[in-house]
Amino acid sequence: TQLLEQSPQFLSIQEGENLTVYCNSSSVFSSLQWYRQEPGEGPVLLVTVVTGGEVKKLKRLTFQFGDARKDSSLHITAAQPGDTGLYLCAGRGSQGNLIFGKGTKLSVKP
Amino acid sequence: GAGVSQSPSNKVTEKGKDVELRCDPISGHTALYWYRQRLGQGLEFLIYFQGNSAPDKSGLPSDRFSAERTGESVSTLTIQRTQQEDSAVYLCASSKRTAATNEKLFFGSGTQLSVL
Repeated sequence: TQLLEQSPQFLSIQEGENLTVYCNSSSVFSSLQWYRQEPGEGPVLLVTVVTGGEVKKLKRLTFQFGDARKDSSLHITAAQPGDTGLYLCAGRGSQGNLIFGKGTKLSVKP
Repeated sequence: GAGVSQSPSNKVTEKGKDVELRCDPISGHTALYWYRQRLGQGLEFLIYFQGNSAPDKSGLPSDRFSAERTGESVSTLTIQRTQQEDSAVYLCASSKRTAATNEKLFFGSGTQLSVL
C-alpha cells in the first residue's frame, strides 16, 4: 500500500515566520502534487513536481521533490495570515488514482 | 458551469436511511474522483472513474457504498443504511486526465453529511 505521511500535523506560527512542512513515503512516485484547502472549500492545486531534485517557486512558497522521488517539502517564507489552511500532498497510486496524505493544518496569527 | 458542482451542500439524515450525493464534473473532464474527509483529517480515496474503463472501487469502505457515472457526465454516490461513522464531507473532483503526471484535479465544495 502506498502511503504519504505528512508532518507536522499541526503548525501554529506568527506572521512573518518561516516554516517547512514535509511529505514522505517509502514508495517512489512519478510525481507529487501540493494542494491547499480552506475551510468549507475543496482543495486547490498549488504545484506539481515531476523530476527528482526539482525545485519550484511560487511567490513565497518553495517546493522541492526529493532526488529519489519519495519525498517532498514545502517551505513558506515570511508567512502571512492568508497562508492559513490545510496543506495536502498527493501522489499517483499504482491503480492510477490520486492518493492524499492527511495534511498539515497551518495557522498563521497576525 | 465553470467548476465542479456538488449537491446537496449539506445533508442531515437519520441512522439507517439511504442517501444519494450528486457530482456534476467540469464538461469534457474524463476522470472523476470521490473522496471522504472526516473533520480535521485528510482526504480518503473512495472511487475513481476514468472514461469508459472499469471504475477503481478499491477505496469504498463497505458494500453500503456505491457510485455510478453515466459516460463522462454526472456521478452519484449512494450510501445505504447510513451509520454515524459515515458523517463527513464527501468531495468530488474531476480532471482532463491528458497526462498522468500533470493531471490537475478540480474539486467541488463538497457535501457535508451528518448522520444523527
